[in-house]
Amino acid sequence: GQQLNQSPQSMFIQEGEDVSMNCTSSSIFNTWLWYKQDPGEGPVLLIALYKAGELTSNGRLTAQFGITRKDSFLNISASIPSDVGIYFCAGQNARQLTFGSGTQLTVLP
Amino acid sequence: DAGVTQSPTHLIKTRGQQVTLRCSPKSGHDTVSWYQQALGQGPQFIFQYYEEEERQRGNFPDRFSGHQFPNYSSELNVNALLLGDSALYLCASSLNRGLSGNTIYFGEGSWLTVV
Repeated sequence: GQQLNQSPQSMFIQEGEDVSMNCTSSSIFNTWLWYKQDPGEGPVLLIALYKAGELTSNGRLTAQFGITRKDSFLNISASIPSDVGIYFCAGQNARQLTFGSGTQLTVLP
Repeated sequence: DAGVTQSPTHLIKTRGQQVTLRCSPKSGHDTVSWYQQALGQGPQFIFQYYEEEERQRGNFPDRFSGHQFPNYSSELNVNALLLGDSALYLCASSLNRGLSGNTIYFGEGSWLTVV
């Protein structure tokens, strides 16, 4: 099935550093979403973006809906150990989500 | 306020068997979707149910079927299980608000292992 192009695939960073990850698609989406998934659990919604060009923050997280509607990025500032996990982007059209392949984030003390 | 709940949490089946997974949506939500997540990949859309009918389907064979009940809960059935059906099956719920702005929430999933 189709998946979005998400990069990087994995990241190792020091605690306190900022993180950036992005997602691109050949298709236009009406909504972009970012989820975090911990081992053995379902994805948890972090940020939802509904308009092209929209920049939205949720605490230390900031995400933007690309102006072309084919891309999005997620920034995490001042990373902490509990940021460890897999981050997924997802584009939404109509009634289904199309997911990226995930970014595995490891935060080193 | 209960979130999305799924059962069972884990199960093991043999090739050729059939399995039924269950989902109760978040309180107030009327739409249920099912996703399959293979190890190391993002979730893949199976289908969505609204008003007890399947209204959109992803690229999955007819062995995958579902049902939605009047209380909005849902079941996912998989027949003639294959080894490749081993995955985390996620239920997602949302409130039907047309084609945009439907924030989707996921359950913790049911881990299916086919041996």
